[in-house]
Amino acid sequence: DTEVTQTPKHLVMGMTNKKSLKCEQHMGHRAMYWYKQKAKKPPELMFVYSYEKLSINESVPSRFSPECPNSSLLNLHLHALQPEDSALYLCASSQAPERQFFGPGTRLTVL
Amino acid sequence: DQQVKQNSPSLSVQEGRISILNCDYTNSMFDYFLWYKKYPAEGPTFLISISSIKDKNEDGRFTVFLNKSAKHLSLHIVPSQPGDSAVYFCAASARDDKIIFGKGTRLHILP
Repeated sequence: DTEVTQTPKHLVMGMTNKKSLKCEQHMGHRAMYWYKQKAKKPPELMFVYSYEKLSINESVPSRFSPECPNSSLLNLHLHALQPEDSALYLCASSQAPERQFFGPGTRLTVL
Repeated sequence: DQQVKQNSPSLSVQEGRISILNCDYTNSMFDYFLWYKKYPAEGPTFLISISSIKDKNEDGRFTVFLNKSAKHLSLHIVPSQPGDSAVYFCAASARDDKIIFGKGTRLHILP
């Protein structure tokens, strides 16, 4: 299994809602990542978990809260988002940092 | 300050000819360089990488060249095929779990 899966594929939420994005990998990778990608821009790193511990937080606002329940799962909890947070949210995993496997992404729209 | 630069936002190449995508970087601490391909509404797909100790890496139709003294790398695709039409991201890693992406080059393969 060489896949990173993400659910849901699409999500529409209001600014007062609480929702979660989910990511799963079964490649035994030690690191998992969240990226945000706006249209016509490169992916921007948000968080990195290494061996289930948060190792990098790229100064992301607290309305985004990551969680790594186990070595295969990564969640991103969303609360009180703004319309400008609408983007494609990508999850990735890797064993070595120089090769990351990306999931298909969740297209998030904040109304 | 952009550490990874792709100065051509788009490139059009005739089917069957060679596509050359260029990338420049500023950080001499990078020791791995990667190319990702991305279709709309999908996550990036790893294409090929090169270590800083090499100057060339080849995988089928894809070859990456690295010129460390010029801090420049390029991706050659030959022969170009219609399915190669996508956005190509150059990226670099300094082995700290971070990958820095360039802004991408949209490649159009013309029939």
